[in-house]
Amino acid sequence: RKEVEQDPGPFNVPEGATVAFNCTYSNSASQSFFWYRQDCRKEPKLLMSVYSSGNEDGRFTAQLNRASQYISLLIRDSKLSDSATYLCVVRSTSGTYKYIFGTGTRLKVLA
Amino acid sequence: EPEVTQTPSHQVTQMGQEVILRCVPISNHLYFYWYRQILGQKVEFLVSFYNNEISEKSEIFDDQFSVERPDGSNFTLKIRSTKLEDSAMYFCASIPNLSSYNSPLHFGNGTRLTVT
Repeated sequence: RKEVEQDPGPFNVPEGATVAFNCTYSNSASQSFFWYRQDCRKEPKLLMSVYSSGNEDGRFTAQLNRASQYISLLIRDSKLSDSATYLCVVRSTSGTYKYIFGTGTRLKVLA
Repeated sequence: EPEVTQTPSHQVTQMGQEVILRCVPISNHLYFYWYRQILGQKVEFLVSFYNNEISEKSEIFDDQFSVERPDGSNFTLKIRSTKLEDSAMYFCASIPNLSSYNSPLHFGNGTRLTVT
């Protein structure tokens, strides 16, 4: 089983739609969770950290489910500028301090 | 906002040559990483570095690769005898310290390495 798994997409959605991505992780010792956004041939940029109680930043909501070992990202009222690849990142603190990346989910918001 | 800086932004080299990729992490950060992303593929961990030594490395990081922090500010990745399959984006990243569990990685803007 992959350490961090995401549906690669692409998700093609119309402007204004709500879209949700899931990410599963295999290491139950994982402690920290993040969503990054990556535009083509650019560096990953932090979108938001994911906290145990869930958190929201404007149109973006992140949730963590430790029992089922998955995190989710919900984007409301999609904009054309949201088109990008969304990377799920997990950090374990059990003997390793690597940040492990999922393959990313590609989103295309259509006019 | 402080930034991680990488140079060069694009490096073209011939197969078999050595390249050095440079990074200046955020000044009060203590833990550094190199990641690689082959075009169309996932971001892969190469190596982490703390207190002037390698903390952890992946299977990709074999004897062809080395890292050092020669002057207390630059953090370099050296690739000896480059191969075609080394062509990728190389990202440097840093975090303040290990105890900040929720600290995200701060990335540089990457070096695109093209081996011909």
